[in-house]
Amino acid sequence: DAKTTQPTSMDCAEGRAANLPCNHSTISGNEYVYWYRQIHSQGPQYIIHGLKNNETNEMASLIITEDRKSSTLILPHATLRDTAVYYCIVRPIKANAGKSTFGDGTTLTVKP
Amino acid sequence: DGGITQSPKYLFRKEGQNVTLSCEQNLNHDAMYWYRQDPGQGLRLIYYSQIVNDFQKGDIAEGYSVSREKKESFPLTVTSAQKNPTAFYLCASSTAGQGTSGANVLTFGAGSRLTVL
Repeated sequence: DAKTTQPTSMDCAEGRAANLPCNHSTISGNEYVYWYRQIHSQGPQYIIHGLKNNETNEMASLIITEDRKSSTLILPHATLRDTAVYYCIVRPIKANAGKSTFGDGTTLTVKP
Repeated sequence: DGGITQSPKYLFRKEGQNVTLSCEQNLNHDAMYWYRQDPGQGLRLIYYSQIVNDFQKGDIAEGYSVSREKKESFPLTVTSAQKNPTAFYLCASSTAGQGTSGANVLTFGAGSRLTVL
């Protein structure tokens, strides 16, 4: 599995957009980008995933660069409850294709 | 509701004792995983299983053992050989799918916190 690189921490003002970057320069053609978040002492929660097109759901938007070597998770209107650790991972398209490796993620702190 | 249940939520163990953490899922997922998380750090893969009666070592398998006798269950045993077992343990599952599947999402349990006294 390709490794990902994320900033250790970021701050965001409540109500503003939070833009969390992820570098996955060694991603292969058969791998999707997935984002999860983990609120303290809980299991990670799935947010969104994408292959090469931009994606949006009720939680967030995902922007993937054309060369697929990096992506940005966007929380359009951050709230205090969005304070969490955000993980970006890459995972094969074909399910059952083995392990997924998590890095240390980005600790996002949303401030009033 | 479908999901993953981990038990116990908190567990205390004396040094030298083996302990087994339970993970049960009713999502009909083929693949299951165990991760370890230390304070302030990310998730590290211990073992994973893609199908019943088969499993593979992850990045930090030493001192741990697993079994996969049923599709729904993937228990993790922390043995006395694990030198620093105090950690937060997370179980996850995902659908195996067929062919290309864009929804190969990992679903996590709430975790089990193991403390060695």
